[in-house]
Amino acid sequence: EPEVTQTPSHQVTQMGQEVILRCVPISNHLYFYWYRQILGQKVEFLVSFYNNEISEKSEIFDDQFSVERPDGSNFTLKIRSTKLEDSAMYFCASKGHNTEAFFGQGTRLTVV
Amino acid sequence: AQSVTQPDIHITVSEGASLELRCNYSYGATPYLFWYVQSPGQGLQLLLKYFSGDTLVQGIKGFEAEFKRSQSSFNLRKPSVHWSDAAEYFCAVGSSNFGNEKLTFGTGTRLTIIP
Repeated sequence: EPEVTQTPSHQVTQMGQEVILRCVPISNHLYFYWYRQILGQKVEFLVSFYNNEISEKSEIFDDQFSVERPDGSNFTLKIRSTKLEDSAMYFCASKGHNTEAFFGQGTRLTVV
Repeated sequence: AQSVTQPDIHITVSEGASLELRCNYSYGATPYLFWYVQSPGQGLQLLLKYFSGDTLVQGIKGFEAEFKRSQSSFNLRKPSVHWSDAAEYFCAVGSSNFGNEKLTFGTGTRLTIIP
């Protein structure tokens, strides 16, 4: 069964450092997403990406965040200068035109 | 704006007992509704979804949910829970499935199973 793959599963970084979270969506999907879940809280939408551009982003997704689909298979989330409050589980999801969203296993980001 | 309310933060049931997890949504048109399950340290797995048609939908692992438009609800049920059902359950609403639509999640219900 096709699945969304995220790497790494856990990333520890120092405050102020840049991190890149990587995702390999399901191959024939068209829509790509990043969601975030701060420990003990609900899953929150960050950004959606379609046709090589951002289609929607939340208030959380400020200038410190960026997304990219560099090679047609990977989908990355970059946080330019991490803050303590960026510590969370980050989920990538992909979706076909007529399917539900499929989520990856998540990357736990810990900012110290 | 769409929103989801899961009024129960934590529910404890005995193994073999029946289960109902509540979900209420707010959305101006026909909603697309989902239940996801998250086991500790794991990602989000889709249990079931409602788009249209029969208001009682069947999902994986013996779960079902009923869409009630008059009550703006989409409660999840299981007739007999197993210890492996212990997890966090999230209800979510989307505005469409046929395109690039984000999901709005509820705050989740943590399910504990006691022997």
